[in-house]
Parts: sequence; C-alpha cells; structure tokens
Amino acid sequence: QVLLVQSGPEVKKPGASVKVSCKASGYTFGNYGINWMRRAPGQGLEWVGWISAYNAATQYAQNFRGRVTMTSDTSTNTTYMELKSLTSDDTAVYYCARLPAGYYFDFWGQGTLVTVSS
Amino acid sequence: EIVLTQSPDFQSVTPKETVTITCRASHNIGRALHWYQLKPDQSPKLLIKYASQSFSGVPSRFSGSGSGTDFTLTINSLEAEDAATYYCHQSSSLPLTFGGGTKVEIK
Repeated sequence: QVLLVQSGPEVKKPGASVKVSCKASGYTFGNYGINWMRRAPGQGLEWVGWISAYNAATQYAQNFRGRVTMTSDTSTNTTYMELKSLTSDDTAVYYCARLPAGYYFDFWGQGTLVTVSS
Repeated sequence: EIVLTQSPDFQSVTPKETVTITCRASHNIGRALHWYQLKPDQSPKLLIKYASQSFSGVPSRFSGSGSGTDFTLTINSLEAEDAATYYCHQSSSLPLTFGGGTKVEIK
C-alpha cells in the first residue's frame, strides 16, 4: 500500500534551518509529485509547495519563496523540504502528500512537528 | 488567490445525525474542490475529489456536491470515529488554498 513516512519532530532556534524528509513506498516514485503543506497551532492548512519526482521541477507558494527548497532522491524514494531563517511563525506540523496529476493529495504522511523557540 | 470560506467553524453532533459542511469559493473553480479529514496523531485522509467523487475506501456515508463557487460535504448517520476537522481545498489555480476547517465533535 502507499505509505509516506516523515522524519521525527524538530526543535530549532530562530534563524536556523530545518530539513524534513518524506520517504515514499508502495508505488512508482517517479510517477507522482510530492506536495508539502503545514498547519500552525490554532490555524488551518497552508500550502508550501510541491516537487515533481519525475524531473525535480518545483513550485513554491509566494510566502515561502527564497526560504524553502524541495529536493528528491530517486535512489531512496525520499523527498526533502528545507526551510531557512526560521521564526516562531514557522512553528507548525508539516505534512507531505502524494500529488497525482489532478493536484489533489491522495495519500499523506503522518506529519512532522517543527517547533521554533529560543 | 482563491479564498475558500468554510462554515460552520465548529459543530457538535450526536451519533447518527447528518452533518453538512459548506465551502464557498471566491471565484468560479468548476469542480476542482476536494475534501480531507484530519485527526490528531493520524495521517490526514482524502475523502472526496473533484467535488463529488468518493476516494477509494472512504465510507459511503461521506458524500460531496456542488460546482462553481458553492460546495457541500455531507456526512450521513455520523459515527463516533468521524470526530475530526474537515478541510476543503481548491486546485483550480495557484496558489493552492484551503478552507479554514470545520471541527466536528461528537456529543
């Protein structure tokens, strides 16, 4: 079955960077993109961006351009999201999700809590 | 940017009741509207894609309808396991956006 397993919780200081991983299994990795979104405490879901596992093309939300980098490692079926210059506003649960051609999210990871605190 | 307005924000219901959640888009998005269920400490789940298409394995008590700017998620005969927060999401245009969420509590 399709599984997306994310890396564990992170605690970072303001100004630092965080890199979250999302390891896929149960399907042909190169046939689907991976999308990232987040949910801050008491807030709704916010789209961060996506990466094509086929050609590594990326699309980032305006709010994150210049601070986020998404990469894929086809040898391990793993996608990474790195977010730099963290502030307390980046404290959130970050989710990866598989992205079929229709740009909805059919399978999700379990979420990774990133806490930014001095 | 397409803004999705969900209502209500919160609903407390008894088992076997019917729950209706609405999602209104700020512009016409055709049928590019999807619904998700989020529970604490679980992977979120896709319920409905393209306004009314049930995703594989989703119980038949979940259904979706609508097109253009007005959409509805209906949960018939609510079960205790349906306690969750529900989100709509549009894929008509970038940036992808979500509704604010509806928390459903079981009385």
